[in-house]
Amino acid sequence: GENVEQHPSTLSVQEGDSAVIKCTYSDSASNYFPWYKQELGKGPQLIIDIRSNVGEKKDQRIAVTLNKTAKHFSLHITETQPEDSAVYFCAASLSGAGSYQLTFGKGTKLSVIP
Amino acid sequence: DARVTQTPRHKVTEMGQEVTMRCQPILGHNTVFWYRQTMMQGLELLAYFRNRAPLDDSGMPKDRFSAEMPDATLATLKIQPSEPRDSAVYFCASATTLVGRDNEQFFGPGTRLTVL
Repeated sequence: GENVEQHPSTLSVQEGDSAVIKCTYSDSASNYFPWYKQELGKGPQLIIDIRSNVGEKKDQRIAVTLNKTAKHFSLHITETQPEDSAVYFCAASLSGAGSYQLTFGKGTKLSVIP
Repeated sequence: DARVTQTPRHKVTEMGQEVTMRCQPILGHNTVFWYRQTMMQGLELLAYFRNRAPLDDSGMPKDRFSAEMPDATLATLKIQPSEPRDSAVYFCASATTLVGRDNEQFFGPGTRLTVL
């Protein structure tokens, strides 16, 4: 089955700096890669996703890049703000084949220092 | 504002007691997932349903856990008997099968279970 590794497990950045979280996956058939943000006491919230037919996707201050050859994808947050502090999870899945399972990484706790 | 709801939000019980957690998926979503989150194991998929039929429950301890969807608006996860190692946050998520949207899962707020 799919295995997703996520690094780093914790990340501290100064407000205004950029943050990068990296994930690798094992199943070359996976074609859907979402990122979730989980704030304390809440459920994970989808913030951005990418499908394997594109290499990069941006949404305001966040962007995700995908390298299918190397089987890794990354989340980039620019101009970080204190409200970006949360745990971020990457995941991988095979979309469109009747399979709906997401395999999650272990999470990265991001702290943005004012 | 469409969202997944879960009840109860918190549950404290004693070992050996039955626990039932409930989930209302987003209206129109036909796929429902149950996850367990712990510090050690992270997010683990326990089971999921499509159109109320179980598709995969291989992540669930069969001897004590059971999951059902009595109707399209209600999913339940039951633990009987509960054990201290079941203490975790249990999340429900729902999704649609519309092409291009079929992997987008929307999570509920979770049920924090403590088994003493």
